Amino acid sequence: AQKVTQAQTEISVVEKEDVTLDCVYETRDTTYYLFWYKQPPSGELVFLIRRNSFDEQNEISGRYSWNFQKSTSSFNFTITASQVVDSAVYFCALSEEETSGSRLTFGEGTQLTVNP
Amino acid sequence: KAGVTQTPRYLIKTRGQQVTLSCSPISGHRSVSWYQQTPGQGLQFLFEYFSETQRNKGNFPGRFSGRQFSNSRSEMNVSTLELGDSALYLCASSLGRNKDYGYTFGSGTRLTVV
Repeated sequence: AQKVTQAQTEISVVEKEDVTLDCVYETRDTTYYLFWYKQPPSGELVFLIRRNSFDEQNEISGRYSWNFQKSTSSFNFTITASQVVDSAVYFCALSEEETSGSRLTFGEGTQLTVNP
Repeated sequence: KAGVTQTPRYLIKTRGQQVTLSCSPISGHRSVSWYQQTPGQGLQFLFEYFSETQRNKGNFPGRFSGRQFSNSRSEMNVSTLELGDSALYLCASSLGRNKDYGYTFGSGTRLTVV
């Protein structure tokens, strides 16, 4: 069955530090999609990135970067030069093409606190 | 364009009552999914509707039901409320089944059962 694990429950950093959020997933499908969402205190899940299983190209977007490695089933997310506004809960999620259809399976979330 | 709209934002109900939550997807989006978020269980999938048909369902009891209207708006209903149903209920809309479309979430409805 599909599973997403975010081993880091809470991370606290000082502003301008770099921080990496870890995500490990399990799936038997060959076609799957991986997502990162951010949830600020308001509650809304804000979409950050989506990757499919055939696209291992890592990406940098502004202060955000992602490292997708199928060999280790990991999809890590890095914030460079963190800011106080980055404080939120970050969720990694998996969607399988065949087994689970359209549903997203979420990890437990990582609470990131960026202190001034 | 307008995002995903969920109403109401907050709701307090008594055990045994029933409740209906509403979700209006982004204009043009035909898929609506519902998720329950609790501190203990995290984010869990409830069900998904596409073109007025339920095409995927999570592991929740039959007290949880939903429907989708021809304008893609969706409602979910919880009957015979239990204290454990207290949660943030999130709705997500998508253009279609292709995951490359992604999912856009609303701000949620926070339900408290007393």
